[in-house]
Amino acid sequence: GIQVEQSPPDLILQEGANSTLRCNFSDSVNNLQWFHQNPWGQLINLFYIPSGTKQNGRLSATTVATERYSLLYISSSQTTDSGVYFCAVMNYGGSQGNLIFGKGTKLSVKP
Amino acid sequence: EPEVTQTPSHQVTQMGQEVILRCVPISNHLYFYWYRQILGQKVEFLVSFYNNEISEKSEIFDDQFSVERPDGSNFTLKIRSTKLEDSAMYFCASSVLDRVFQPQHFGDGTRLSIL
Repeated sequence: GIQVEQSPPDLILQEGANSTLRCNFSDSVNNLQWFHQNPWGQLINLFYIPSGTKQNGRLSATTVATERYSLLYISSSQTTDSGVYFCAVMNYGGSQGNLIFGKGTKLSVKP
Repeated sequence: EPEVTQTPSHQVTQMGQEVILRCVPISNHLYFYWYRQILGQKVEFLVSFYNNEISEKSEIFDDQFSVERPDGSNFTLKIRSTKLEDSAMYFCASSVLDRVFQPQHFGDGTRLSIL
């Protein structure tokens, strides 16, 4: 099945710094979503981005489907950005629709 | 914005007992999913459901698990005889009819603790 690799696994930032999180996937996808899991365990949907670029405030994401990767940019990080960021994909022409998650990037933003 | 709601937020159950986790998907969505996340690990697919039947299930979804849409709004996951290793966060998700090129919307999860 499709493999999803996220990097880096852990990231520590000072408040105000910028960061880039990467998601590589091994096959064509027709769905890609980025999630933020907060300290309470809730999965917050950040972007639905199977291709192209989107921005939402301090966050933006880019997916280059032909090269099988996606990037999540966090600018001017805040302590509330701490948590685990997951990339999840759905394989094109494959399963009935389940998302396959990466192992996540654990982000810690220090004040 | 419509949300997927899950109840309870936290369930504590004795090993061997049955547990039912409940979900109310977004009202115009027709595809429903359950995912599981063991503490510190990634989120894993359990089962998908469409038109009152299972569309796909993973190897995790064995005979002790079942899903049901008992009425027009609820979607439930039942674990018949819980084991310690069933302790996890369980997420419900839903998507619209054409689930290709459509995002899945996740609930806040139910944290299941088996004692």
